[in-house]
Amino acid sequence: KAGVTQTPRYLIKTRGQQVTLSCSPISGHRSVSWYQQTPGQGLQFLFEYFSETQRNKGNFPGRFSGRQFSNSRSEMNVSTLELGDSALYLCASTMGGSSRETQYFGPGTRLLVL
Amino acid sequence: GENVEQHPSTLSVQEGDSAVIKCTYSDSASNYFPWYKQELGKRPQLIIDIRSNVGEKKDQRIAVTLNKTAKHFSLHITETQPEDSAVYFCAASKGGGSNYKLTFGKGTLLTVNP
Repeated sequence: KAGVTQTPRYLIKTRGQQVTLSCSPISGHRSVSWYQQTPGQGLQFLFEYFSETQRNKGNFPGRFSGRQFSNSRSEMNVSTLELGDSALYLCASTMGGSSRETQYFGPGTRLLVL
Repeated sequence: GENVEQHPSTLSVQEGDSAVIKCTYSDSASNYFPWYKQELGKRPQLIIDIRSNVGEKKDQRIAVTLNKTAKHFSLHITETQPEDSAVYFCAASKGGGSNYKLTFGKGTLLTVNP
């Protein structure tokens, strides 16, 4: 099975712009979670989608949003970018039937905001 | 919400020695505790996990112990090798319902010196 894939792998944006990141889960997985990884804050949960519905949300401002499509692919969007949004954005997928399933991570998208 | 504390933040050992990383969690409802290894520039990968109905789990040189009463769990790596050098993250999540949020510790940078 192919693993979790994310595109693009690298992005450079300027403050005030918006960005859309994409995540394709492992085939058959219906749950996609998004995490922000920074040196200072570590790995922080953004949100989780299952069957096109957001099931869980972390403590991030409304500038961070996401969606999931019928094929389980997910996108996250960050509007009005700030310097502090520079981070590695990781998505992870599971089948979604239990909260104790292994989450498989993608390679991440490294976002640099200038 | 859940809070996971991880110690130490850095750990340096000689090849062949053992390494122990400890985590504490705050929410007594948490019942799933995975450990992830992240090599430089790579995605986090699950190395071992434990569910709250067991106290210890082993997989070759890696073991995890869980003390639910004290709300802490630990990762033990024996006979360390240079390829064990990486950042290790502990995490916790609650079962039941649709709580797919993983709360991570801040990570431990393990360096195994040849």
